[in-house]
Amino acid sequence: DIQLTQSPSSLSARVGDRVDITCRASQRIYFYINWYQQKSGKAPRLLIYGASTLQSGVPSRFRGSGSGTDFTLTIANLEPEDFATYYCQQSFSPPRTFGQGTRLETK
Amino acid sequence: EVQLVQSGGGLVKPGGSLRLSCAASGFIFKTYTMNWVRQAPGKGLEWVASIIGSSTDISYAASVKGRFTVSRDNAKQSLDLQMDTLRVEDTAVYYCATDGGSFDASGFYLEFWGQGTLVSVSS
Repeated sequence: DIQLTQSPSSLSARVGDRVDITCRASQRIYFYINWYQQKSGKAPRLLIYGASTLQSGVPSRFRGSGSGTDFTLTIANLEPEDFATYYCQQSFSPPRTFGQGTRLETK
Repeated sequence: EVQLVQSGGGLVKPGGSLRLSCAASGFIFKTYTMNWVRQAPGKGLEWVASIIGSSTDISYAASVKGRFTVSRDNAKQSLDLQMDTLRVEDTAVYYCATDGGSFDASGFYLEFWGQGTLVSVSS
């Protein structure tokens, strides 16, 4: 199975900050990476697919980049509603594994 | 509007069985691959199973293969997960989710999600 390692596992930031969350795959997965946001007690929400395509309705302050084995989710100008947990997921090879998650907390 | 409304779940003893359901509306259900994803308390997300529209291709995570069975009824626009021989480690919130995308384009992704239902396995 392809392993995805996210860093950091947790992150403290302020409203207005820019944050980067990285996801490293154990093998080359080209652009087959997705990013999800999950708030406490809620279902995950798709943010970005295919490494860099913004899902409909997702604010443009979210950006995905990377290819091969290293990927980044960037959130520019943090808003209060962005404090949540973020997961990457690969769809290159079954089973479609997830990263362990990055918890974004308010500083 | 796409809606996935889940039902089932609850408390069951180890070795017991439980059936989850997911009622879909707002899209052409039979054309979508459907998935089950779970999340143990305080843990991350784990893909559990998927079933394509025609039910001719079904996949399971190694952790549930042989114990869980996913099925769908396209006429009723519903998805089920039959969970047998349940273990304590199956305790989790279970989500149904639609597939989006294609391998040739941006890859597959989990586009729409149900609200989740809690399965607790404990003696």
